Amino acid sequence: AQSVAQPEDQVNVAEGNPLTVKCTYSVSGNPYLFWYVQYPNRGLQFLLKYITGDNLVKGSYGFEAEFNKSQTSFHLKKPSALVSDSALYFCAVRDISGQAAGNKLTFGGGTRVLVKP
Amino acid sequence: EAGVAQSPRYKIIEKRQSVAFWCNPISGHATLYWYQQILGQGPKLLIQFQNNGVVDDSQLPKDRFSAERLKGVDSTLKIQPAKLEDSAVYLCASSREGLNYEQYFGPGTRLTVT
Repeated sequence: AQSVAQPEDQVNVAEGNPLTVKCTYSVSGNPYLFWYVQYPNRGLQFLLKYITGDNLVKGSYGFEAEFNKSQTSFHLKKPSALVSDSALYFCAVRDISGQAAGNKLTFGGGTRVLVKP
Repeated sequence: EAGVAQSPRYKIIEKRQSVAFWCNPISGHATLYWYQQILGQGPKLLIQFQNNGVVDDSQLPKDRFSAERLKGVDSTLKIQPAKLEDSAVYLCASSREGLNYEQYFGPGTRLTVT
């Protein structure tokens, strides 16, 4: 069965500093990986995805993530954090091998990011 | 383009009552998902539709939850009877057909069961 771990419940960072949100995954086959952000009282918004190709993926709002197959990680990064980046971030994985019923998107528990001015 | 629409946004019911949620996906999206998000956790898939057929309902508590997607567009999720542990945000999402496409989420319905 596939799983996602986000080891940090909360990440605190000062505005202008680099931001990293960690994610590791476990799948039996090949993964499709996604990052979503959730603002209060709103649904999840798609940030970026890794499907194939270049391990460094660039997404919305200046975010990027690096796929590392040997470490089974897909950490989210932003070079210079903004106060408006304060939100809940979710990593998700989809195992693309096997039957369709096993291809569901599995989410991590989320990491709350607090960017202080 | 218009996003995923959900209603109601909030619902408070007593245990053992029934409740229904409605979702209208993005136009042209063949795949529709219902998720349950309990406070402090990531979303958990309840059911996935491809057009009007069920692809995955392995995590749907079928003794009390039901869902349908008539004509492959709108969908409803029903809980009958509700339990206290059903208190959560119910998220609807849609995507184009294919595993590589991202899902677009609606604002969710916050259900409180008292």
